Amino acid sequence: NAGVTQTPKFRILKIGQSMTLQCAQDMNHNYMYWYRQDPGMGLKLIYYSVGAGITDKGEVPNGYNVSRSTTEDFPLRLELAAPSQTSVYFCASSYSTREDTGELFFGEGSRLTVL
Amino acid sequence: EDKVVQSPLSLVVHEGDTVTLNCSYEVTNFRSLLWYKQEKKAPTFLFMLTSSGIEKKSGRLSSILDKKELFSILNITATQTGDSAIYLCAGRSSGAGSYQLTFGKGTKLSVIP
Repeated sequence: NAGVTQTPKFRILKIGQSMTLQCAQDMNHNYMYWYRQDPGMGLKLIYYSVGAGITDKGEVPNGYNVSRSTTEDFPLRLELAAPSQTSVYFCASSYSTREDTGELFFGEGSRLTVL
Repeated sequence: EDKVVQSPLSLVVHEGDTVTLNCSYEVTNFRSLLWYKQEKKAPTFLFMLTSSGIEKKSGRLSSILDKKELFSILNITATQTGDSAIYLCAGRSSGAGSYQLTFGKGTKLSVIP
């Protein structure tokens, strides 16, 4: 099992450019999440999905879009990159049963810089 | 709005010291509290706590939850340089279809030889 795989690991964008961060998991988890982490600020939820075809906004969704066409994949799209989107992005997934531990399984992170 | 506050935000100790990290929470329909360790990359899971007063233990790490006072502590005894990391606390709610975590800002622990 690869777990949660994110690509790319690093990317530099110019203001106004667009890009997609890819995320895939092979654990058959229904729940998937995108977080961003700024220095000293913990993790903020951008979007999450409870299953294929279902997505919902988290705490900081502005400037981002997501889709969930399959259970495995949950890409995050930045349409018009802004310097405020410079951050480290983590994709995560989890089980969705009542008995689960609540543990999120994280990808290795994607460091995005917008200049 | 759910809120999780960790203290201290950073801590420097010498190897062998014992440390206590604090986490207070205000989470609607609280279900559980989770601790993660983050070294260079992705956070890794340490503990999940759902019941007051029951200590979870793993080696030199232990944690306990107080649901009346809405806080949790993470203890690390006989610290080692490998314990240097950011420790994240997160509260989990149990709304219908909601498995979201609200994270604190983290405590950055530095263990010096």
